[in-house]
Amino acid sequence: GAGVSQSPSNKVTEKGKDVELRCDPISGHTALYWYRQSLGQGLEFLIYFQGNSAPDKSGLPSDRFSAERTGGSVSTLTIQRTQQEDSAVYLCASSTQSGLTDTQYFGPGTRLTVL
Amino acid sequence: DAKTTQPTSMDCAEGRAANLPCNHSTISGNEYVYWYRQIHSQGPQYIIHGLKNNETNEMASLIITEDRKSSTLILPHATLRDTAVYYCIVVDAGANNLFFGTGTRLTVIP
Repeated sequence: GAGVSQSPSNKVTEKGKDVELRCDPISGHTALYWYRQSLGQGLEFLIYFQGNSAPDKSGLPSDRFSAERTGGSVSTLTIQRTQQEDSAVYLCASSTQSGLTDTQYFGPGTRLTVL
Repeated sequence: DAKTTQPTSMDCAEGRAANLPCNHSTISGNEYVYWYRQIHSQGPQYIIHGLKNNETNEMASLIITEDRKSSTLILPHATLRDTAVYYCIVVDAGANNLFFGTGTRLTVIP
């Protein structure tokens, strides 16, 4: 079956512009996660959605970051007034259930470059 | 959160077993040990996980010490395609956060 997909695969933007990154999880997966990976660093957790519950936003680095998940499926990560330090690969993952012990399946990521 | 310590890099000859160590000395009783890997330019890929007992699947084996303070991921016959960064993480079922760290960069040498 289809895996997690993300779009765009690459995004280059100018400092101060807003960007939207999209994630399509595996059909039927109720949990969705966003991470980012800066150059030379490990994965950094950003936000977690489980079904229709309020998301856990504890990992968002600033109030310029927000995310939505419509209809319990597709998710959009929005970064407002982008800064150069936002440059990273943004990864989305989904899993069948809510617990973090459930295996997460990752998408290919969106490489964001802020000039 | 319990954190893990892994060597920065390792080399392994093709066809030999790759043994990747991980220390998680502060792990608590309800935390699982998970291994993921990330091949260059791809998203992370799940490998294996365990709680107390050793585990084996089609990709690898996971050996967890009796005190659970460390574990070893074993790739029995490493191939060039196993060259990747391998992440050992501990996961609390009650938490909503994962800490991957910087992982071990495994290079399989022909």
